[in-house]
Amino acid sequence: AQKVTQAQTEISVVEKEDVTLDCVYETRDTTYYLFWYKQPPSGELVFLIRRNSFDEQNEISGRYSWNFQKSTSSFNFTITASQVVDSAVYFCALSELDTNRDDKIIFGKGTRLHILP
Amino acid sequence: DGGITQSPKYLFRKEGQNVTLSCEQNLNHDAMYWYRQDPGQGLRLIYYSQIVNDFQKGDIAEGYSVSREKKESFPLTVTSAQKNPTAFYLCASSIAGLSNQPQHFGDGTRLSIL
Repeated sequence: AQKVTQAQTEISVVEKEDVTLDCVYETRDTTYYLFWYKQPPSGELVFLIRRNSFDEQNEISGRYSWNFQKSTSSFNFTITASQVVDSAVYFCALSELDTNRDDKIIFGKGTRLHILP
Repeated sequence: DGGITQSPKYLFRKEGQNVTLSCEQNLNHDAMYWYRQDPGQGLRLIYYSQIVNDFQKGDIAEGYSVSREKKESFPLTVTSAQKNPTAFYLCASSIAGLSNQPQHFGDGTRLSIL
């Protein structure tokens, strides 16, 4: 069954610390996509990254980095030198492409990140 | 600027009343989605539409209805049949109705019961 688990409900770190948000997924398919979204207090979700199942290269974008490991079905997100503006709820999501099923994205329950000044 | 506009930002519903949440996009996206967000529950899909005049039920469609008469618009009606409508509702769109495409989200509508 398709499933996304974000075991960390809430995390608090002091500004400038590094923090890693965990995401573990379950899927039957060999072709799938993983996403991370950020939801700031304003409410809208902001797309951060998409990774397909055939690309296991880690990605870095400024202070953000993502570690995709198929062997452990994980797609973890690390913020380096955190800042107060990073405070938000972060969602990991999974989608599969299967012509026999409706294409849908399944979201994890989110991790609320507090960056303390 | 291109984006998704949801209105109103806050909405109150009386018992037995239907209310409609507006979602408009000027991104020229084919696909549009409605999600419900409850505290600690993540996002759950209510309805989605991959093309004009067509829409599909999501995981929690009961008590909701939608229409897609125009590409830009995908209004959601919360009917009186939805017994627990208090939640944060998010509208999204994507270039094509494939789940591998990133979705763009509106600012949401917070619905409460009077």
